[in-house]
Amino acid sequence: GESVGLHLPTLSVQEGDNSIINCAYSNSASDYFIWYKQESGKGPQFIIDIRSNMDKRQGQRVTVLLNKTVKHLSLQIAATQPGDSAVYFCAENVKGGSEKLVFGKGTKLTVNP
Amino acid sequence: NAGVMQNPRHLVRRRGQEARLRCSPMKGHSHVYWYRQLPEEGLKFMVYLQKENIIDESGMPKERFSAEFPKEGPSILRIQQVVRGDSAAYFCASSPLIGGYGYTFGSGTRLTVV
Repeated sequence: GESVGLHLPTLSVQEGDNSIINCAYSNSASDYFIWYKQESGKGPQFIIDIRSNMDKRQGQRVTVLLNKTVKHLSLQIAATQPGDSAVYFCAENVKGGSEKLVFGKGTKLTVNP
Repeated sequence: NAGVMQNPRHLVRRRGQEARLRCSPMKGHSHVYWYRQLPEEGLKFMVYLQKENIIDESGMPKERFSAEFPKEGPSILRIQQVVRGDSAAYFCASSPLIGGYGYTFGSGTRLTVV
């Protein structure tokens, strides 16, 4: 079965607020994690990634946190904008296994103006 | 440098027909992956190919589905004798490296079986 899941299927925030999207994974052998953004009718778009030897990584307005102890991953979006409205997926890759990514079901983020 | 190109964007097939989905990876990418996405769900891995070789097809149904990535030309995902349950969005991704790094997805082909 799937080893990646999300706590919140939907998230609604006000423009300008910070957003936090969570993800739980169960495979302790996973060593690489990616967050994707998917807009309606489009393919997944890479946002940020993190390897298992790190616990935090920052990009432009986005931060990914990895807690290996509790197998938890989160995506923080600062100053959320209407253009951030989309479905967000976390995905994991298992070290030494197949090259496939295992995706969670996704969280739909809606940004209210 | 064009991204991952998939065509057609939309494909309608009647039950029992064949569907052929094409994927041209990014220039310099020799690893191709196919995923399927049902409405309101995440992407599910189907198959991983390198040029002329299928590396991992553990996510692909044993019957009716096949994939290839020839030496020349795009990767093809072929679904024979389509059924309504095959209706989904099919995404192709390519990468230059193993291990999931540098994955880039195409815009997908939305298959509707009527």
